[in-house]
Amino acid sequence: KAGVTQTPRYLIKTRGQQVTLSCSPISGHRSVSWYQQTPGQGLQFLFEYFSETQRNKGNFPGRFSGRQFSNSRSEMNVSTLELGDSALYLCASSHGGTNQETQYFGPGTRLLVL
Amino acid sequence: GESVGLHLPTLSVQEGDNSIINCAYSNSASDYFIWYKQESGKGPQFIIDIRSNMDKRQGQRVTVLLNKTVKHLSLQIAATQPGDSAVYFCAENIGYALNFGKGTSLLVTP
Repeated sequence: KAGVTQTPRYLIKTRGQQVTLSCSPISGHRSVSWYQQTPGQGLQFLFEYFSETQRNKGNFPGRFSGRQFSNSRSEMNVSTLELGDSALYLCASSHGGTNQETQYFGPGTRLLVL
Repeated sequence: GESVGLHLPTLSVQEGDNSIINCAYSNSASDYFIWYKQESGKGPQFIIDIRSNMDKRQGQRVTVLLNKTVKHLSLQIAATQPGDSAVYFCAENIGYALNFGKGTSLLVTP
């Protein structure tokens, strides 16, 4: 079974631009979560989607948004990029039926904001 | 606020020795914990998990111990190999989100 895939793998943007990242979960998984990883803050939860609905949200500004499609694929968008948004953005998927399920991570999208 | 933390940022062990990585958590309501391994340039890889109704769980060369009294987790790696060199994260499941610790870097020397 194929793992979680994320595209693109690397991205360079300038301040003020917006960016869209994509995630395809493991087949059969209906929950997709997004995390931001930086050297200073570590891994931080952004949001989680299940059946096209945001079920949980972390403590990030409204510039960070996401959505999930009927095939469980998910996208996250960051508008008005800031230098501090440079990070590795990780997507994870799980079956989503309970809150005690293993989340499996993709390789991440490395975003650099100049 | 409540958080998951790791006692040591780096750990250096010799090949063949056993490794122990520690993690403290502060949310007494946490009932599910996961250990992940992250190699350079890759996403976190699931190692082992444990639920709060268990004290110990074993996998292949890995054992996780949970002490709910002192809110402490540990990951034991037996016969550490060079391929075990990575950053290890403890995470607690809060609702449908994972709260990660800062990570411990494990370096295996020959």
